[in-house]
Amino acid sequence: DTGVSQDPRHKITKRGQNVTFRCDPISEHNRLYWYRQTLGQGPEFLTYFQNEAQLEKSRLLSDRFSAERPKGSFSTLEIQRTEQGDSAMYLCASSLVRSAGSRDEKLFFGSGTQLSVL
Amino acid sequence: SQQGEEDPQALSIQEGENATMNCSYKTSINNLQWYRQNSGRGLVHLILIRSNEREKHSGRLRVTLDTSKKSSSLLITASRAADTASYFCATIPSGGSYIPTFGRGTSLIVHP
Repeated sequence: DTGVSQDPRHKITKRGQNVTFRCDPISEHNRLYWYRQTLGQGPEFLTYFQNEAQLEKSRLLSDRFSAERPKGSFSTLEIQRTEQGDSAMYLCASSLVRSAGSRDEKLFFGSGTQLSVL
Repeated sequence: SQQGEEDPQALSIQEGENATMNCSYKTSINNLQWYRQNSGRGLVHLILIRSNEREKHSGRLRVTLDTSKKSSSLLITASRAADTASYFCATIPSGGSYIPTFGRGTSLIVHP
């Protein structure tokens, strides 16, 4: 049973460096989401994809954040010129949308990538 | 921004007791979902309730939804130490962009 896989699990970087996280969704899932979570808070939506199309990216925190899903399978989230305020858990989730306009699918989450910016 | 707001923020009970947590939201929803998160892990889906449903059960879980009050509750009966986790509600809007929005969560501790 392969769930959502995220890599790496932990990333420590210095301020100003670029980082890239990878998410492998459940293989047949066509939607993929990125969330950010800080301690004591709920997941904060960043962006999502339907297959390879990025349908919502206005919630990305700044232009330093970008995400791709080049072939509609795995996705990457990149943060350029990291800042200490970027330290958080970055969560990926996927879901299977069975029909256009469907809104009742459940999300399957990975274990997240914990980013620490020093 | 977070639409769902859970209450209480923290809950501490003894094993065997029931745990109730509430979620309030602001805009019209298609459905509301509850998730569980163990420390340092991803979220796990527990239950989904549609806007035209009032109550739903799954094992020891009971969820209610009152769309007139824009609120939902999650009841865990006969709690166990293994239920210790954070619980989040997620609201899925009925229109516009499909963005599941999570609340801040309720941290539940069940003492053995």
